[in-house]
Amino acid sequence: GESVGLHLPTLSVQEGDNSIINCAYSNSASDYFIWYKQESGKGPQFIIDIRSNMDKRQGQRVTVLLNKTVKHLSLQIAATQPGDSAVYFCAGVIQGAQKLVFGQGTRLTINP
Amino acid sequence: DTAVSQTPKYLVTQMGNDKSIKCEQNLGHDTMYWYKQDSKKFLKIMFSYNNKELIINETVPNRFSPKSPDKAHLNLHINSLELGDSAVYFCASSQGWKGASGANVLTFGAGSRLTVL
Repeated sequence: GESVGLHLPTLSVQEGDNSIINCAYSNSASDYFIWYKQESGKGPQFIIDIRSNMDKRQGQRVTVLLNKTVKHLSLQIAATQPGDSAVYFCAGVIQGAQKLVFGQGTRLTINP
Repeated sequence: DTAVSQTPKYLVTQMGNDKSIKCEQNLGHDTMYWYKQDSKKFLKIMFSYNNKELIINETVPNRFSPKSPDKAHLNLHINSLELGDSAVYFCASSQGWKGASGANVLTFGAGSRLTVL
């Protein structure tokens, strides 16, 4: 079936440390994935995307890794800051279904 | 200018009432969506419209009726509200479905929190 799920519902890190948020997907999920950040009281905001013909993509302080063998992707945030506190979602485009399916979400808390 | 705007932001109402949430996007996108986010933050697609045409209806009860008067607007009307309808409803838009590309990236509104008492 179609599913995009996250390994951990919560993650706490010290300010300045690196964070890694993980996501798993099933066979029927797609060849395109997006990470979103949702701050309290706001809608999800695009962070970074990756196509399945890529293993890695980097943005500003963020890196997404895709391992197609084990159907896993991760979001790495370097030198986390208080403003990084949010719920992070991975989402996969379902092939042929024209829809974006979201994972459960991981709440990232930054400790001072 | 807000790219995707939805109103109202908060809505508190009694069971059995009918209510509407409006959404407008000024991004020139062809596709619009409604997502429901429950108390555990799970985001589930409800509907999508492409250029005023219904594309996805995810087995949502027929008490929910989306309406798209033009491709920049997608409103959600809910009849006979039930306690389980309490959630945050997000409107979103995208350029449209063009394979594995940025056209699939959704831009979300700020959400409308519906509380049914």
